[in-house]
Amino acid sequence: GAVVSQHPSWVICKSGTSVKIECRSLDFQATTMFWYRQFPKQSLMLMATSNEGSKATYEQGVEKDKFLINHASLTLSTLTVTSAHPEDSSFYICSARDIRGGGQETQYFGPGTRLLVL
Amino acid sequence: GQNIDQPTEMTATEGAIVQINCTYQTSGFNGLFWYQQHAGEAPTFLSYNVLDGLEEKGRFSSFLSRSKGYSYLLLKELQMKDSASYLCAATDSNYQLIWGAGTKLIIKP
Repeated sequence: GAVVSQHPSWVICKSGTSVKIECRSLDFQATTMFWYRQFPKQSLMLMATSNEGSKATYEQGVEKDKFLINHASLTLSTLTVTSAHPEDSSFYICSARDIRGGGQETQYFGPGTRLLVL
Repeated sequence: GQNIDQPTEMTATEGAIVQINCTYQTSGFNGLFWYQQHAGEAPTFLSYNVLDGLEEKGRFSSFLSRSKGYSYLLLKELQMKDSASYLCAATDSNYQLIWGAGTKLIIKP
């Protein structure tokens, strides 16, 4: 099956530092990857759609200068949380769209990165 | 607007059957997904329906009625490990996933 990895799985950092999270599709190519944020007991919130070789599309209310997304290859997208603050503490999950098999637009999720900003 | 509705929480007994319903309203429709999410973990893919009818996959089945904007996930022979949140998500005309808030399923012995 389609496997998506995410690194790191846990990050604890001081306020004001930047944190980079990597998302990789391991056994398929993903022209589109998605970044989600999930607060406790809430559903997934789409932050941005990352397209290989082009700029990411951010959802309303998500600061593109704070959450930098780079999708440099068909298997790697990165999310950098710049100048992190305690309110950025959350569970960040990426997903990759696998379009093999005739157009089924299934998204497969990475294991998530738990960020705690002190 | 776009909207997905599913119950917030359900309780069922080990060994029994439970049906989790989902209704959706989207701008265009390109299929409906069900994901399972255990506490503290990322969602895992369960099923995808784009045509009307029932898709069976082991203990889990998913049903879709496009005319009614309705889907359900059926879990049979419930096991304690099935305790999780079940997320319904519909894809709109741009293949964007519109997520429901999730149904927390509690399994009791």
